[in-house]
Amino acid sequence: DTEVTQTPKHLVMGMTNKKSLKCEQHMGHRAMYWYKQKAKKPPELMFVYSYEKLSINESVPSRFSPECPNSSLLNLHLHALQPEDSALYLCASSQVFGNSPLHFGNGTRLTVT
Amino acid sequence: AQTVTQSQPEMSVQEAETVTLSCTYDTSESDYYLFWYKQPPSRQMILVIRQEAYKQQNATENRFSVNFQKAAKSFSLKISDSQLGDAAMYFCAYRSAGAGGTSYGKLTFGQGTILTVHP
Repeated sequence: DTEVTQTPKHLVMGMTNKKSLKCEQHMGHRAMYWYKQKAKKPPELMFVYSYEKLSINESVPSRFSPECPNSSLLNLHLHALQPEDSALYLCASSQVFGNSPLHFGNGTRLTVT
Repeated sequence: AQTVTQSQPEMSVQEAETVTLSCTYDTSESDYYLFWYKQPPSRQMILVIRQEAYKQQNATENRFSVNFQKAAKSFSLKISDSQLGDAAMYFCAYRSAGAGGTSYGKLTFGQGTILTVHP
């Protein structure tokens, strides 16, 4: 069983829709991450939250809006996406950096039509 | 910026045999951490092994071990007694140990190696 839970597992949305991806962890981790992954490619970092504050934004388009309501939850709000945004979106958590490994969720498979 | 290179897009191994996956990285830092992750078709990324750059001893986790050559900036993964469940995409990753900076906490991944295990 994964310790990082992502919902939904699959999502299909039109380009005019607004949707949200959710991520939850109860390991006491204070760093949380969003990654985007295309098939057979490495994960690409999108955002990092440290102590519930956004610490890294990898120049992600504003149609992706992250939110960290508390230390256990991480959301990714989606609006006016493009078909090229279709990908696997992975959430991860860790202790705040150092040699602490990232614990990943199973991801949300997003398809934009 | 740090870069991580995995020069083997695909590798294959017979069950029970040993295979080594290559990883090199480029950094000007002296203190950092290195990781190997596996991603099976079920798509969850799972930590395989990690190495602190300040440690000379190579990390070992059961059938998995690394050959860490700091001067050569090389971090290969050896899988012994390969099993069918080892089939996955393997990613090498780098993280700086330095606090602060705009990339603090960032994990940089290599391009990955797809490992096939033949029965």
